[in-house]
Amino acid sequence: SAVISQKPSRDICQRGTSLTIQCQVDSQVTMMFWYRQQPGQSLTLIATANQGSEATYESGFVIDKFPISRPNLTFSTLTVSNMSPEDSSIYLCSVALAGSIEQFFGPGTRLTVL
Amino acid sequence: AQSVSQHNHHVILSEAASLELGCNYSYGGTVNLFWYVQYPGQHLQLLLKYFSGDPLVKGIKGFEAEFIKSKFSFNLRKPSVQWSDTAEYFCAVNADYQLIWGAGTKLIIKP
Repeated sequence: SAVISQKPSRDICQRGTSLTIQCQVDSQVTMMFWYRQQPGQSLTLIATANQGSEATYESGFVIDKFPISRPNLTFSTLTVSNMSPEDSSIYLCSVALAGSIEQFFGPGTRLTVL
Repeated sequence: AQSVSQHNHHVILSEAASLELGCNYSYGGTVNLFWYVQYPGQHLQLLLKYFSGDPLVKGIKGFEAEFIKSKFSFNLRKPSVQWSDTAEYFCAVNADYQLIWGAGTKLIIKP
């Protein structure tokens, strides 16, 4: 298994600003993912964070809005840029260990945009 | 496109009642199936998974799920629920190395 921490756990932000969310894993992992869970809805994959290269974004998500960094095998950041109230959501980091498709999740970051 | 359908968004049961949560998926290829649980205030954690072999899989806390390939289903069951099972339950299918998620079922157990 893997233990994942996220910072911040929650934040309240003003429209037009940006927030960077950090994800730290206690071991080196191949795959890191960022999800969004909007109120009352299921998880939606934003992107796969690739170490040493650009993230792979899902349909409907773009790098300008959700830039992602992955400088090493244990750390990634997701930035929510130029926020609007529609970005209010829980953002989740998850990882999959080498050779496995099972994902382990962080505690999430609850973002409220006013 | 692949999709996962969970039939009930909210389920309310009394303690000791039996539980079955439905999950159906649409994907024609080989799938791996998961149930995740999110207890109040906690993060998502794996309840059980099916990769291959015996279609009846057992997970933590007395939960089990049965994979019925002909019905594209992976229903979650527990013979006798407890108040501590109050949580949100998510079915997920791994198809083409991506997890596709159901909308989740909020389960409330009345003491």
